[in-house]
Amino acid sequence: QVQLQESGPGLVKPSQTLSLTCTVSGGSISSGGDYWSWIRQHPGKGLEWIGYIYYSGSTYYNPSLKSRVTISVDTSKNQFSLKLRSVTAADTAVFYCARDGGESSAFDIWGQGTMVTVSS
Amino acid sequence: DIQMTQSPSSLSASVGDRVTITCRASQSIAGYLNWYQQKPGKAPNLLIYAASSLLSGVPSRFSGSGSGTDFTLTISSLQPEDFATYYCQQSYTTPRTFGQGTKVEIK
Repeated sequence: QVQLQESGPGLVKPSQTLSLTCTVSGGSISSGGDYWSWIRQHPGKGLEWIGYIYYSGSTYYNPSLKSRVTISVDTSKNQFSLKLRSVTAADTAVFYCARDGGESSAFDIWGQGTMVTVSS
Repeated sequence: DIQMTQSPSSLSASVGDRVTITCRASQSIAGYLNWYQQKPGKAPNLLIYAASSLLSGVPSRFSGSGSGTDFTLTISSLQPEDFATYYCQQSYTTPRTFGQGTKVEIK
């Protein structure tokens, strides 16, 4: 059974880069057919899709964040990562990694989420 | 971007009630519509994909319908564990977008 787990700092200073990693267990990120996404949720608010990556390295980013986001994959470690540059307090959120399952075309598996606060 | 609009934003209901939540897309998304349930402090869980396909293990009291721009999530008989926030999401195109959520509260 595939599971996802986010990791990274819970506190980032304004103007710095937020970096998170999602580790995939119970299955291979390279098995194909699935996209691997980052999604965030501001406190008390709805869900915002940040972008996704395929195991080959191809990416698509939400245009609203595209200028500040990089998603990368490390197939040898079965991980994918998020970098969000030049953060402000408005980037404070719970960040989730999720599988965008090719079969269902839905976010069928989620990590538990990690809270990231942007503050000096 | 495709805008997803849910209604109502919140509702109060009793155990055993039939509950209906609607989701409207700003343009046709065929049947590429998914529904999630989220409880406080937890990640969302997929309930229904492709508008009407129930994920394995999800109780049959949940059902989805619709195509094009208008979709519905129905809970046939609300149970105590169903009090949560529900989100629709389109997977027709990128960027993926979600509805603003519908909070189902206890009356």
